[in-house]
Amino acid sequence: KNEVEQSPQNLTAQEGEFITINCSYSVGISALHWLQQHPGGGIVSLFMLSSGKKKHGRLIATINIQEKHSSLHITASHPRDSAVYICAYTGNQFYFGTGTSLTVIP
Amino acid sequence: GAVVSQHPSWVICKSGTSVKIECRSLDFQATTMFWYRQFPKQSLMLMATSNEGSKATYEQGVEKDKFLINHASLTLSTLTVTSAHPEDSSFYICSAKRGGTSTDTQYFGPGTRLTVL
Repeated sequence: KNEVEQSPQNLTAQEGEFITINCSYSVGISALHWLQQHPGGGIVSLFMLSSGKKKHGRLIATINIQEKHSSLHITASHPRDSAVYICAYTGNQFYFGTGTSLTVIP
Repeated sequence: GAVVSQHPSWVICKSGTSVKIECRSLDFQATTMFWYRQFPKQSLMLMATSNEGSKATYEQGVEKDKFLINHASLTLSTLTVTSAHPEDSSFYICSAKRGGTSTDTQYFGPGTRLTVL
């Protein structure tokens, strides 16, 4: 059983739309990560969150530790944002969500 | 920022041959490196955890004699797929952790796509 659930699994958006990807987890954690995996396979770490909210460019990540929930928002989405977005938490290793495949159409 | 490289980025080999994949942390010392595999449309699956100078810890169901891991230095870990078969075709990704606490960031390599014919 995957302890990290993401929704939606697949998402198609028009360029410019505001996008939200959700992540729920079932255990107490100290940090949650949002990762981006491009079609070529390479993975980039976008955020590491312990509480509150972080912003980087058009990307915003929030976390509610009590509710065990995190969201990743993309404002003014662009085709280059098309990728798989993965949330994960760390213990001694990473525990990954199943990923959300985002396609942004021009 | 921290950079992790993998070599090769892709490899095609014949069934029965062995393939070595290198994972290097370029600008930091990695106390721990992780090896993952990923099948199409699926999430990453941890194969093993590698600490410098000690034997790797393999996840349940991963054959340690088939997937040999050597963490020879604080900047290099290698994964050797021995006697590769078509079912070993996958995307292999390493990550490297700097420091010693669970909250330390892991930095991912770009991955190696293995195709076994």
